[in-house]
Amino acid sequence: SAVISQKPSRDICQRGTSLTIQCQVDSQVTMMFWYRQQPGQSLTLIATANQGSEATYESGFVIDKFPISRPNLTFSTLTVSNMSPEDSSIYLCSVVLLAGAADTQYFGPGTRLTVL
Amino acid sequence: GENVEQHPSTLSVQEGDSAVIKCTYSDSASNYFPWYKQELGKRPQLIIDIRSNVGEKKDQRIAVTLNKTAKHFSLHITETQPEDSAVYFCAASINGNQFYFGTGTSLTVIP
Repeated sequence: SAVISQKPSRDICQRGTSLTIQCQVDSQVTMMFWYRQQPGQSLTLIATANQGSEATYESGFVIDKFPISRPNLTFSTLTVSNMSPEDSSIYLCSVVLLAGAADTQYFGPGTRLTVL
Repeated sequence: GENVEQHPSTLSVQEGDSAVIKCTYSDSASNYFPWYKQELGKRPQLIIDIRSNVGEKKDQRIAVTLNKTAKHFSLHITETQPEDSAVYFCAASINGNQFYFGTGTSLTVIP
């Protein structure tokens, strides 16, 4: 299994500001992802954080709004830029561990963001 | 990209009865199908998964079936208990690269 931590666990931010969320894993992983989960909704994949190269963004998400860093195999950051109330959501990082023939996805505890 | 649909969105069952949640996917290349349980305020937790080379997998009271031809898979919970109450998400993935989630099913088990 993987132990994943996220910082901060929650924050309340003003419109127009930016917030950087950190994700730390206790082991080296190849695949690391960032998701958004709005209240009562499903998980939406924002991007795949690639170590040593630019993140791969899903349709509807762009690097200028959600810049991602992945400096090594255990750490990643997601920045929510120029925030608006519509960005209020829970942001989760996740990793995929390969165990034999199985790929198991583990989630971090999430960062609850409220934008005023 | 992959499109995963999930039904029903809400489900209420009496304790001891069975619950079935169904998902369909669009990309025939998807070969890994996990199910997650998310309790209120907590992160999603993997409860069972199935790969495209098998049609059914069971773990105690939980089972998952996969029909590759029809591109649908289902979660079956037998002998439901109040602690099974949660939101359940299906997902589809190609080789563990990107996971696309269904819209979720809120399951309530009535004591």
